[in-house]
Amino acid sequence: QVQLVQSGAEVKKPGASVTVSCKASGYTFTSFGISWVRQAPGQGLEWMGWVSSYKDKTNYAQKVQDRVTMTTDPSTSTAYMELRSLRSDDTAVYYCARDGKYSSGLGLDYWGQGALVTVTS
Amino acid sequence: QSVLTQPPSVSAAPGQKVTISCSGSSSNIGNNFVSWYQQIPGTAPKLLIYDNNKRPSGIPDRFSGSKSGTSATLGITGLQTGDEADYFCGGWDTSLSASVFGGGTKLTVL
Repeated sequence: QVQLVQSGAEVKKPGASVTVSCKASGYTFTSFGISWVRQAPGQGLEWMGWVSSYKDKTNYAQKVQDRVTMTTDPSTSTAYMELRSLRSDDTAVYYCARDGKYSSGLGLDYWGQGALVTVTS
Repeated sequence: QSVLTQPPSVSAAPGQKVTISCSGSSSNIGNNFVSWYQQIPGTAPKLLIYDNNKRPSGIPDRFSGSKSGTSATLGITGLQTGDEADYFCGGWDTSLSASVFGGGTKLTVL
């Protein structure tokens, strides 16, 4: 069965960086891309970007494009999301989700369990 | 402000039907597919509908999706207490070159 298992919760200080990992299993990793979606406490879903699992290609949301890097390692079927220069409003649960192979937008059919990132001084 | 607009809340009695609307524009709903997600508090979202009206395997046919112009609708029939959750619409926005979501609708089954 398809599973996306994310790394654990993190507590970071403002200005620091965080990397969240997402290990996929149960499907051919390079046949799908990965999107990252975050959800601030009590708020809605915010798409952060998409990363290809078979090619060096990304598409980032304008809001975070200067601070985020998304990568994949097909050899371990793992996706990574690094967010830099953290601010208090980056406090959120970060989800990875399986997306389209060539781009985002057709539906996120499997989701990781989420990783809470708390930014506090 | 979300790119896609949903009502903050809807409610209905067990066994009844409810619809949740999602309004957008020609750059998103009007020319791209819509998907719908269910999120029970404390858990990850779950895909209910993709490509406007298709259900993934395992999603009961009580859930349906439709689209007309720049609006989409999620329908749920035979409401159960277990359907209480937040529901989000989503899709691709061609102008933004980004996936976008609605603000979410909280469903209460009275």
